[in-house]
Amino acid sequence: GQQVMQIPQYQHVQEGEDFTTYCNSSTTLSNIQWYKQRPGGHPVFLIQLVKSGEVKKQKRLTFQFGEAKKNSSLHITATQTTDVGTYFCAGRSNYQLIWGAGTKLIIKP
Amino acid sequence: GAVVSQHPSWVICKSGTSVKIECRSLDFQATTMFWYRQFPKQSLMLMATSNEGSKATYEQGVEKDKFLINHASLTLSTLTVTSAHPEDSSFYICSASPQGSAGLLSSYEQYFGPGTRLTVT
Repeated sequence: GQQVMQIPQYQHVQEGEDFTTYCNSSTTLSNIQWYKQRPGGHPVFLIQLVKSGEVKKQKRLTFQFGEAKKNSSLHITATQTTDVGTYFCAGRSNYQLIWGAGTKLIIKP
Repeated sequence: GAVVSQHPSWVICKSGTSVKIECRSLDFQATTMFWYRQFPKQSLMLMATSNEGSKATYEQGVEKDKFLINHASLTLSTLTVTSAHPEDSSFYICSASPQGSAGLLSSYEQYFGPGTRLTVT
């Protein structure tokens, strides 16, 4: 079946370091969405990318959608403690929303 | 704006009983609502998509007779877990989309409810 692979599963960083999570789909996506889930909370919508090669920025967050519309990435510059949580991608394909497994961002003490 | 509430936030029920979970969009009209299930430390699993006034579209593998979805108004959708069993214990999350339907390519957002923790004993 259709899958969206998201890596890595976990990423430990020092505060101030950068963080990146990647999503790869087995099929071409019509769009891809990114969500953030804080520990104990529910997923919060961050952004949707629709166009091939699209790049969008939200402050320290940069979102990219690949040219083939099969992969996407979220990059956080200079992480802060408020960035802690799990970041999910969700790709839309054939009217289904297919979720990645999420990448957990952990800030080292 | 774009607040979605769920009720109850947690529920414990006995095996064999039915449980109804409500999802409300508080400050916008939602033509489409989604129901998800989340297992511990796992991603959200889309169960079904409901459009106001029509039957819900269930994802493959989700029993429509067990998970009854009603989207009777533009601000309310309900999920009823019928004849609940311990394996139905999970975190159920709804989301509401203020525009468009699941099939459109145009940009839309989903606003998530806080979730309902169901424990079946």
